[in-house]
Amino acid sequence: EIVLTQSPDFQSVTPKEKVTITCRASQSIGSSLHWYQQKPDQSPKLLIKFASQSISGVPSRFSGSGSGTDFTLTINSLEAEDAATYYCHQSSSLPPLTFGGGTKVEIK
Amino acid sequence: EVQLVQSGAEVKKPGESLKISCRASGYSFAAYWIGWVRQMPGKGLEWMGIIYPADSDTRYSPSFQGQVTISADKSISTAYLQWSSLKASDTAMYYCARGDGSYYTTPFDYWGQGTLVTVSS
Repeated sequence: EIVLTQSPDFQSVTPKEKVTITCRASQSIGSSLHWYQQKPDQSPKLLIKFASQSISGVPSRFSGSGSGTDFTLTINSLEAEDAATYYCHQSSSLPPLTFGGGTKVEIK
Repeated sequence: EVQLVQSGAEVKKPGESLKISCRASGYSFAAYWIGWVRQMPGKGLEWMGIIYPADSDTRYSPSFQGQVTISADKSISTAYLQWSSLKASDTAMYYCARGDGSYYTTPFDYWGQGTLVTVSS
């Protein structure tokens, strides 16, 4: 099973700051890494697919990068509505297609 | 518009059986994988398994294999997740989600609203 390790677990950020969340895979997964945003009491929402591909309707301040084992989600100029927990998800291998443990982003 | 509408919250006793549903609309149901994701209270997301409705090809996480059954009825565009004997540890929110691609190794681009399952004596 591929393990995804996210860091940090928690981040408290002021509006307009830049946020960087990392996701490290226990073995190479190419670019089969996706990012989701989950706000309290809501379903997850796909933000970025295949490491860096943007999703229609997602604000351009969200971007992704990386390949192999190390990946990054960047939120440029954080807005209050971005308070949420962010999860990475790999789809490289045989089941299970695992999720990272999540990073909670709080607005100061 | 793609929509996944899940059945309502359930309260069950340990040992009881349960089948929850996920009804799809707005796209060709048979042509996209549908997965199930568990979220225990206050915890993260867990990939349970996924089914391709066109031929019922199903893949399970080893953690859930034998514990749940995933199925689909393409005639009514509905996927199911069922338990034969619930445990208290099955208490969680369960989400269905559509796979974005043509194979099971795919991100989930649309999600249902979730079904809360509570198992308590």
